[in-house]
Amino acid sequence: ELKVEQNPLFLSMQEGKNYTIYCNYSTTSDRLYWYRQDPGKSLESLFVLLSNGAVKQEGRLMASLDTKARLSTLHITAAVHDLSATYFCAVDWNTGNQFYFGTGTSLTVIP
Amino acid sequence: DSGVTQTPKHLITATGQRVTLRCSPRSGDLSVYWYQQSLDQGLQFLIQYYNGEERAKGNILERFSAQQFPDLHSELNLSSLELGDSALYFCASSVFSNTGELFFGEGSRLTVL
Repeated sequence: ELKVEQNPLFLSMQEGKNYTIYCNYSTTSDRLYWYRQDPGKSLESLFVLLSNGAVKQEGRLMASLDTKARLSTLHITAAVHDLSATYFCAVDWNTGNQFYFGTGTSLTVIP
Repeated sequence: DSGVTQTPKHLITATGQRVTLRCSPRSGDLSVYWYQQSLDQGLQFLIQYYNGEERAKGNILERFSAQQFPDLHSELNLSSLELGDSALYFCASSVFSNTGELFFGEGSRLTVL
């Protein structure tokens, strides 16, 4: 069974600080996705990483993928309150037929 | 707005009952996915359809069933409901391109009393 693990599960950080969320997965996959979810809301696609070494950046968020280590990171730079949300990584297994989501990381940015 | 429409948004029912959740994918998307999100189980993949055919099955209970119709909308049927079925049910769609990026609806919140 495919396992997708994120850490930390909960993260409280001050505005202006940097931090990294980690996503480990248990099977070979070249495709990984990051999503954001605000409380009680839908999931919003943030990044699509399609190959080893892929790096994508949007604003204060940067995601990377190391398929050999089966690891993706989501780096937050100079956090602001608006980034408070739950972040999920998801791995594509069986080439698009199944997407398995990580446990989620609940991020709270404190002013 | 992702373009994926789910109804109803909220649903309260009793144990033992049956409900149907409906999903209309984004225009042009052929794949529909169903996910269950609960506090203790996280986001669980239930089932995927592509152009009317079942493509993949995840942790979907036998009491649950789904289908995708010729107009590509999908329904998730939940029967013999139990308290533990209370959750947020998401539908997502994709064009089934090589990016595999999913677009999620707003979800249907089911409360079983």
